[in-house]
Amino acid sequence: QVQLVQSGGEVKKPGASVKVSCKASGYAFHSYDINWVRQTAGQGLEWMGWMNPDSGNANSAEKFQGRVTMTRNTSITTAYLELSSLTSEDTAVYYCTRGPGFDPWGQGTQVTVSS
Amino acid sequence: DVVLTQSPLSLPVTLGQPASVSCRSSQSLVHSGGKTFLYWFHQRPGQSPRRLIYKVSNRDSGVPDRFSGSGSGTDFTLQISRVEAEDIGIYYCMQGTHWPPTFGQGTKLEI
Repeated sequence: QVQLVQSGGEVKKPGASVKVSCKASGYAFHSYDINWVRQTAGQGLEWMGWMNPDSGNANSAEKFQGRVTMTRNTSITTAYLELSSLTSEDTAVYYCTRGPGFDPWGQGTQVTVSS
Repeated sequence: DVVLTQSPLSLPVTLGQPASVSCRSSQSLVHSGGKTFLYWFHQRPGQSPRRLIYKVSNRDSGVPDRFSGSGSGTDFTLQISRVEAEDIGIYYCMQGTHWPPTFGQGTKLEI
């Protein structure tokens, strides 16, 4: 079955970077975009960006431009989200989801930013 | 960005009774190609969101037929014909017609 499995939770200090992975299985990895969405505690869902695993082309929401990098390793069908210059406001659960229909979603990765 | 406004934000329900969630968009969600990319998701406590409905009214595989989606243009509705205990959680609408994709604030279904 189609599945996205994400890396485990991370604790980072302010100013650091974090890299979250998303391992895809059960479908042709290069055929579907990967979207990244985050959810802060008690808040809703916020789209961060999109990547085409075939070409490697990516685009992010204006809010994150300059701070986010989306990459992939097609040999291991894994997508990555890297977010730099972390602040406490980046504490959230980060999800990958297969696009363009946002189905299915990974299990989420908790990223905690604390000094 | 397109703003999606859901109502109500909290929805107390009774098991076996119907429930309805509204999602209103700040602009039409009809794409230039004629399709409308409006989705509904359900998130149970401690779980990832799960897609229920795609392109306004199409139920995903495995989604009970008590769930239905309707609407057009800027006004959309998710209906549950008879609420069951497993339906608790938060429901989100999302649009993929205009860049960037945006989500509604969420509606919390409480029994």
